[in-house]
Amino acid sequence: GEDVEQSLFLSVREGDSSVINCTYTDSSSTYLYWYKQEPGAGLQLLTYIFSNMDMKQDQRLTVLLNKKDKHLSLRIADTQTGDSAIYFCAETYSGGYNKLIFGAGTRLAVHP
Amino acid sequence: DAGVIQSPRHEVTEMGQEVTLRCKPISGHNSLFWYRQTMMRGLELLIYFNNNVPIDDSGMPEDRFSAKMPNASFSTLKIQPSEPRDSAVYFCASSFRLGGGNTGELFFGEGSRLTVL
Repeated sequence: GEDVEQSLFLSVREGDSSVINCTYTDSSSTYLYWYKQEPGAGLQLLTYIFSNMDMKQDQRLTVLLNKKDKHLSLRIADTQTGDSAIYFCAETYSGGYNKLIFGAGTRLAVHP
Repeated sequence: DAGVIQSPRHEVTEMGQEVTLRCKPISGHNSLFWYRQTMMRGLELLIYFNNNVPIDDSGMPEDRFSAKMPNASFSTLKIQPSEPRDSAVYFCASSFRLGGGNTGELFFGEGSRLTVL
């Protein structure tokens, strides 16, 4: 079955880089996504990567995809206090439609 | 666009009462999803609709839960009777169906925080 796993917590110092890791099971996922959830809010798409790509860069964000190991990572450069949030990795379900399977979320805490 | 609109934002009720959560998806989207978020279980998919038709309700925890989508612009999630373990944040999300250039991105509402005493 589908499963997405992430570490639950990450603490970094302001200005450092953050790396959030994720493993998934469905090798036929078309897209993989990173969503961000701020306190009291819904999830918002941060970035996504198409399954035939290895890397995608978007300003401070770098997504790396290792399809062989089914590993996805999100790197945030120059992490700021405003980046403190929960980050969810998600894969598309191979059974059709665009049902997304989410990980448990990684809580990123940024301290001075 | 106003985004996905959910109501109520907060609800406190007593065990045994009926709860109805409402969702208005983004106009033009043809898929709608109900998720539940708790500390213990994270984000769980309860049910999703495509073109107003329920596709998969295997995530609905019990018969006490039901969802409807009478038209493309409205959906409800009902819990009857409610129990304390139903306390959670319930999210509605909508999207275009994956494919044809669409990335399948889900647009989430702000959520309905339910507390059952």
